[in-house]
Parts: sequence; C-alpha cells; structure tokens
Amino acid sequence: QVQLVESGGGVVQPGGSLRLSCAASGFTLPSYGVHWVRQAPGKGLEWVALIRNDGSNKFYADSVKGRFSVSRDISENTVYLQMNSLRAEDTSVYYCARDWDWASDYWGQGTLVIVSS
Amino acid sequence: QSALTQPPSASGSPGQSVTISCTGTSSDVGGYDYVSWYQQHPGKAPKLMIYEVNKRPSGVPDRFSGSKSGNTASLTVSGLQTEDEADYYCNSHAANWNWVFGGGTKLTVL
Repeated sequence: QVQLVESGGGVVQPGGSLRLSCAASGFTLPSYGVHWVRQAPGKGLEWVALIRNDGSNKFYADSVKGRFSVSRDISENTVYLQMNSLRAEDTSVYYCARDWDWASDYWGQGTLVIVSS
Repeated sequence: QSALTQPPSASGSPGQSVTISCTGTSSDVGGYDYVSWYQQHPGKAPKLMIYEVNKRPSGVPDRFSGSKSGNTASLTVSGLQTEDEADYYCNSHAANWNWVFGGGTKLTVL
C-alpha cells in the first residue's frame, strides 16, 4: 500500500539548516510528484514546494523561495527538503504528500520543525 | 500568493446539510478546475475528500460533494454525521505553478 514517512525534524536555531526526508513506498517517484505542505501550530495548511515526477521541475512558495530546495533520490525512493536560513516563522509540522490529479491523495504523518534559540 | 478565503466555522445538526465556501481569484479558483478539499481531524494528517472541483476519491462517502461558480468553490456535506466534525481546507492550483490553501473551516456537528 502507498505510504509516505517523513523524518528529520527537530529543534534548530534561527539561521540554521535542516534536511527533511520523505520515504515513499507502494509507488515509485518517477511516476508521481511529491508536495511538501506545512502547518504552523494551531494554524492552517500552507503549500511549500513540489517536485514533479520528472524530477527536473520544482516549484516553491514565495515564502521559502531561495531558502528551501527539494530533491529526490530514485534509488532510495525518497524526497528531500533542504531548509536553509531558517526563521522562527518556519516552525511547523511538515508533511509530504503524493501529487495526484492536481491534488494530494496520500500524506505522511508529518515531522515537527521548531526554529528557536 | 494570498490564501483562499473560507469561513472560520460552520455547523449543523446530525442529518442536516452544510456548505463551506472557498473564495479565490481568477488566478486560482476561477482560472482552473483544480480545486480540492481536505478533511483534517485533530492531530492527524489531512485526507483528500474532493479533487478536480467535484470528483470523489475511492472510499469517500457520496455525502461529500463539490462545486464551483466563478471564483468560489464549495464543499457540501449532506446527512451530517458526528465523525464529520473536523477542519476542512480547500486548495487550488494557481498561476505560475503555485498551489494555495484556504485558511480552513472548523465544522462542528451539534
């Protein structure tokens, strides 16, 4: 069955970096794109980034453009979100979700990132 | 890219119907038939309920339906059940390969 499992969250100081992983199973990355979506504590969902199934086309929200980058490892069937120059407002649960018919049909359980000194 | 506008709350009694609106612009909701809706229970990941405005994924009850008129999309939940109590978020593909979510609506089943 389709599963996505995020990892790599934790506490990081402002200005620091963190890399999140999203391990996919039950499907292969060349067949589907993967979104990253975040949710600040007690707040709504915010789209962060998409890596399309071709692996070349990547798109970012304005709020993270230039600081975050998305990549993937086909051999590991894993997508990564590299987050640099982190700010307090980046504190959120980060979800990865499979791109399907212009929506997200399967979601991971999320990983919490806290940016604090 | 500004968030789509949803009412903060909605409510209904068991068995009733409730409709949640989602208003955007011609650059997102009005410009594409790629509106989706997600249900999120506390502490859980979102669940896809509606995609491409009015299509239901396998396993989603037909009590859930979607529609769109101009820049506003809507989610209707008919025959409300207690397990429908959750937060609901709309989402739309937007210009320049962006995706935008609504602020969320807390649905209470009275």
